[in-house]
Amino acid sequence: EPEVTQTPSHQVTQMGQEVILRCVPISNHLYFYWYRQILGQKVEFLVSFYNNEISEKSEIFDDQFSVERPDGSNFTLKIRSTKLEDSAMYFCASSEAQGPAYEQYFGPGTRLTVT
Amino acid sequence: QKEVEQNSGPLSVPEGAIASLNCTYSDRVSQSFFWYRQYSGKSPELIMSIYSNGDKEDGRFTAQLNKASQYVSLLIRDSQPSDSATYLCAVNPVSGGYNKLIFGAGTRLAVHP
Repeated sequence: EPEVTQTPSHQVTQMGQEVILRCVPISNHLYFYWYRQILGQKVEFLVSFYNNEISEKSEIFDDQFSVERPDGSNFTLKIRSTKLEDSAMYFCASSEAQGPAYEQYFGPGTRLTVT
Repeated sequence: QKEVEQNSGPLSVPEGAIASLNCTYSDRVSQSFFWYRQYSGKSPELIMSIYSNGDKEDGRFTAQLNKASQYVSLLIRDSQPSDSATYLCAVNPVSGGYNKLIFGAGTRLAVHP
């Protein structure tokens, strides 16, 4: 069964450093998403992406964050200058299309630890 | 602010019993609703989606939706210890587009032998 994959599974970085989290969405999916979950808290939407453009972003997704589809398979989330409060699990998700009937499938996540 | 509310639990049920998980949402025009299961330290795993009022069954799982009451529930029949996890209710709001899911905080289910 096709699945979303993410690398690395765990990333440790120092405050102020840049990190890039990588995702390979399900191959026939066209919509891609990033969510994060701070330990013990809700899963929070960050951004959605379609046709090489951001289609929606949350308040969390400020200028420190960017997303890119650098090739036909990868989807990346970059945090330019990490802060301690960026420590969280980051989940990539994808869906076949947009609309209420389309389900989002999540990758295994990247645990980001900022020290 | 659109909200999705769940009882945090833990909900403790004996093996073989029916577990009932509930969720309410604030955005009256929301159209699609999802239940995810999340084991500790793992990612959300989609269990079921529901869009129409009434019941939808898939194996041991039944999702129930009542849009008038802004209420969605998940029933797990013949609960097994392997069902012990946190169950997340997620809503795809219409306003603001279909581009995101809003999650509840989750209900922790513990199935004891």
